[in-house]
Amino acid sequence: DAGVIQSPRHEVTEMGQEVTLRCKPISGHNSLFWYRQTMMRGLELLIYFNNNVPIDDSGMPEDRFSAKMPNASFSTLKIQPSEPRDSAVYFCASSPTRGRPGETQYFGPGTRLLVL
Amino acid sequence: AQKVTQAQTEISVVEKEDVTLDCVYETRDTTYYLFWYKQPPSGELVFLIRRNSFDEQNEISGRYSWNFQKSTSSFNFTITASQVVDSAVYFCALRDRTQGGSEKLVFGKGTKLTVNP
Repeated sequence: DAGVIQSPRHEVTEMGQEVTLRCKPISGHNSLFWYRQTMMRGLELLIYFNNNVPIDDSGMPEDRFSAKMPNASFSTLKIQPSEPRDSAVYFCASSPTRGRPGETQYFGPGTRLLVL
Repeated sequence: AQKVTQAQTEISVVEKEDVTLDCVYETRDTTYYLFWYKQPPSGELVFLIRRNSFDEQNEISGRYSWNFQKSTSSFNFTITASQVVDSAVYFCALRDRTQGGSEKLVFGKGTKLTVNP
C-alpha cells in the first residue's frame, strides 16, 4: 500500500508569494496532521483533522496559514503571503481512528520549503 | 504540560557497539502513549514503536529494544550491535491530550546517532 504522499517535495519561492502544499493520506485513514520541523522549534503540530473536520488548529502560527481537507483523500496547507521565517520542512501524517486513542501516525516524506 | 526530554543531543559510536538513547517524559495522564521515530539523512520520519502506559513489558525487535519504566518516566531505546545504516536522528514522542479530542504528538528534540565504520 502507498504511504502518505506529499507534493511538492521541494519548493523554493520568494517572499510574498503564495505557497500550497499538498497531502494524500493513507487510504482508510481518517485522521490527518500537518507538522512543521525547524532547527529552532523542532517538530510541532500545526493542525489536525478528523473525518475532514479541523479538530485542533492551535498550532497554526498566524492568519497567513490556512489548511483545508475537502475530502478524505486530500488536504492542502497554504501560506499566503510567505515569509523567510516560514522556511522549514512540512510533514503530513495520517492515522486510523478506530475509536481508540493514541493511534500511530504515519508520516509522509515531507516538503522542504525555502522562502527567499 | 506534556513534555518529552531527550538529553543526548548527539551520540557517536563505532560499528558493532551497543548504544542506548534516553527519553524522559512528563504527563499528568494515567493513560498515555509513547512513540519512537527514526529520521535518516534522507529526511523522512519512520515509525519504530508505539507503547501504551498499561504495557510495561520491554519489547525487542531484532537489534532494537525498548525499556519502558513508569517509575522513572522513561522510555529508552537500545540498538545492539549498531550498524552504519542506523545513523539517523531518533525522536521520542508522547501523545498530548491537553487539547480536548486532539491526537497531537509532542516530540523531543531528537538524538542524532552517528555510527562510524
